[in-house]
Amino acid sequence: AQKITQTQPGMFVQEKEAVTLDCTYDTSDQSYGLFWYKQPSSGEMIFLIYQGSYDEQNATEGRYSLNFQKARKSANLVISASQLGDSAMYFCAMSLSGNTGKLIFGQGTTLQVKP
Amino acid sequence: DTAVSQTPKYLVTQMGNDKSIKCEQNLGHDTMYWYKQDSKKFLKIMFSYNNKELIINETVPNRFSPKSPDKAHLNLHINSLELGDSAVYFCASSQSGVYNSPLHFGNGTRLTVT
Repeated sequence: AQKITQTQPGMFVQEKEAVTLDCTYDTSDQSYGLFWYKQPSSGEMIFLIYQGSYDEQNATEGRYSLNFQKARKSANLVISASQLGDSAMYFCAMSLSGNTGKLIFGQGTTLQVKP
Repeated sequence: DTAVSQTPKYLVTQMGNDKSIKCEQNLGHDTMYWYKQDSKKFLKIMFSYNNKELIINETVPNRFSPKSPDKAHLNLHINSLELGDSAVYFCASSQSGVYNSPLHFGNGTRLTVT
């Protein structure tokens, strides 16, 4: 069964430090995509970063990077130099080939950045 | 310019009523979705349309009926609202519905059924 697991309900990080949000996935498909979304308290869903199953290099977007370990089926999000505005809920999601782009979401991790 | 817009942002109604949520995207995408986010923040897909054709219909009560008049619009009509329908409903779109295309979400509609 396809599944995304985020085991950290809540995380704290000091401003300007780096933080890693964990995500593991389960699928027997060879072709899939992994995404991270941010949901601030205002409620919108913001796309952060994408990693394809065939991508050999870890994806990076500004202060966000995705630590992709295919053998371990993990796709952790690393946020460097945390800012107060990073406080939000973060969702890991997976899309499978032939699944019409539908995303399967994890339970989310709430990140709080401390000044 | 708003990429995916949905209205209304808030919807408060009584049990038994019928309500609609509208969604429009100006990204030129051909696939649109409805997701439901429950009180525990869990996101689950409800429906997906590709070029006005229904392609995903998850286990959703028949009281929920999506309608796509064209590929830029996907509306959600809910009949006989129940307390358990209270949630945030997100519209989203993507290009071609392929697995490497990110979904772009609207800002959500918070539905409260009293």
